[in-house]
Amino acid sequence: EPEVTQTPSHQVTQMGQEVILRCVPISNHLYFYWYRQILGQKVEFLVSFYNNEISEKSEIFDDQFSVERPDGSNFTLKIRSTKLEDSAMYFCASRPTSGRTDTQYFGPGTRLTVL
Amino acid sequence: AQSVTQLDSHVSVSEGTPVLLRCNYSSSYSPSLFWYVQHPNKGLQLLLKYTSAATLVKGINGFEAEFKKSETSFHLTKPSAHMSDAAEYFCVVTMNSGGYQKVTFGTGTKLQVIP
Repeated sequence: EPEVTQTPSHQVTQMGQEVILRCVPISNHLYFYWYRQILGQKVEFLVSFYNNEISEKSEIFDDQFSVERPDGSNFTLKIRSTKLEDSAMYFCASRPTSGRTDTQYFGPGTRLTVL
Repeated sequence: AQSVTQLDSHVSVSEGTPVLLRCNYSSSYSPSLFWYVQHPNKGLQLLLKYTSAATLVKGINGFEAEFKKSETSFHLTKPSAHMSDAAEYFCVVTMNSGGYQKVTFGTGTKLQVIP
């Protein structure tokens, strides 16, 4: 069964460094998402992406964040200058179409630790 | 606006006894409702979903949930808990508008299964 994959599974970085989190959505899916889950807190929506542009973003997704689909398979989340509070689990998700009943399929997550 | 309330942050049951995880939602439109499970250090796995068909929804691993519009509830149940059910469970409500899908997660319920 096809699944969303994410790399790396764990990333450790120094405060102020740039990180890129990578996701490979399911191949025929058209909508892509990033979420984060700070330890002990609920999963929060960051951004959705469709047709090579951001379709919606939350207030968390400020200028430090950017997303890109550099080729036909990868979907990346970049954090330009990481802060301690960016430490979290980041989940990528994809959805096939705009159908109301469509489910978002989540990847296993990347745990980001900012020191 | 939409929201999800998971009434219990922790639930503890004995192996072989029934499981009830409670979820109430608020949505301006006809929502789609989901339950996801997250095992330790793992991603989010879809258990089941309601999308306006049958109100009693059966999912994987013996779980089911009943959509009750009058009570705005979507509680998750299982007749007999297994040790492998120990995990965190998230109730999720989605609303589609055009092609966009807004997803709201509950705060999660940690299920402990006692041998």
